[in-house]
Amino acid sequence: KAGVTQTPRYLIKTRGQQVTLSCSPISGHRSVSWYQQTPGQGLQFLFEYFSETQRNKGNFPGRFSGRQFSNSRSEMNVSTLELGDSALYLCASSLGRVRRFYGETQYFGPGTRLLVL
Amino acid sequence: AQKVTQAQTEISVVEKEDVTLDCVYETRDTTYYLFWYKQPPSGELVFLIRRNSFDEQNEISGRYSWNFQKSTSSFNFTITASQVVDSAVYFCALSEARETSGSRLTFGEGTQLTVNP
Repeated sequence: KAGVTQTPRYLIKTRGQQVTLSCSPISGHRSVSWYQQTPGQGLQFLFEYFSETQRNKGNFPGRFSGRQFSNSRSEMNVSTLELGDSALYLCASSLGRVRRFYGETQYFGPGTRLLVL
Repeated sequence: AQKVTQAQTEISVVEKEDVTLDCVYETRDTTYYLFWYKQPPSGELVFLIRRNSFDEQNEISGRYSWNFQKSTSSFNFTITASQVVDSAVYFCALSEARETSGSRLTFGEGTQLTVNP
């Protein structure tokens, strides 16, 4: 099975711009989560999507948003970019169950490295 | 709130040495899940192990072994006869068993392991 794929792998933007990152989960996985990794804050949870609905959200400003499509692919968007948004953005997928969906193993993609100038 | 602490920021060993990576966690829940991930320089987080809070059996997989002790809230990871290819950042993570948590992972700060030839 193919793993989680993320595009693009690298991105350079300037302050004030917006960016959209894409994630394709492992085939058959229905849950997609996003994480931000920075040297200062480490790995932080952004949000989780299941069945096209946001199921869980981390403590990030409203400039960070996401969505999931009917084929489970997901996108995240960051508007009005700030220098502090420079990070590695990791997408992870898990099987996704309707009930008792906590604690599932998440499989990560290679990430998108975003640099904001 | 849950928390994961990896007190060892960096560890450097010589090939064939055994090395133990420490992980201490905090949670109010009685049911939870613990994970270890490996992050090589490429950036992708590679899943190593998942353990639920009711299974305190130690696990061995090849050169890797894990010691889970609820009494001390620790989930330590040992690499036996380390190899240069083991060089990476290792993350311990916690997922609480709550509908509101979903598959959300709380990560430790990570331990950079360098294995020198």
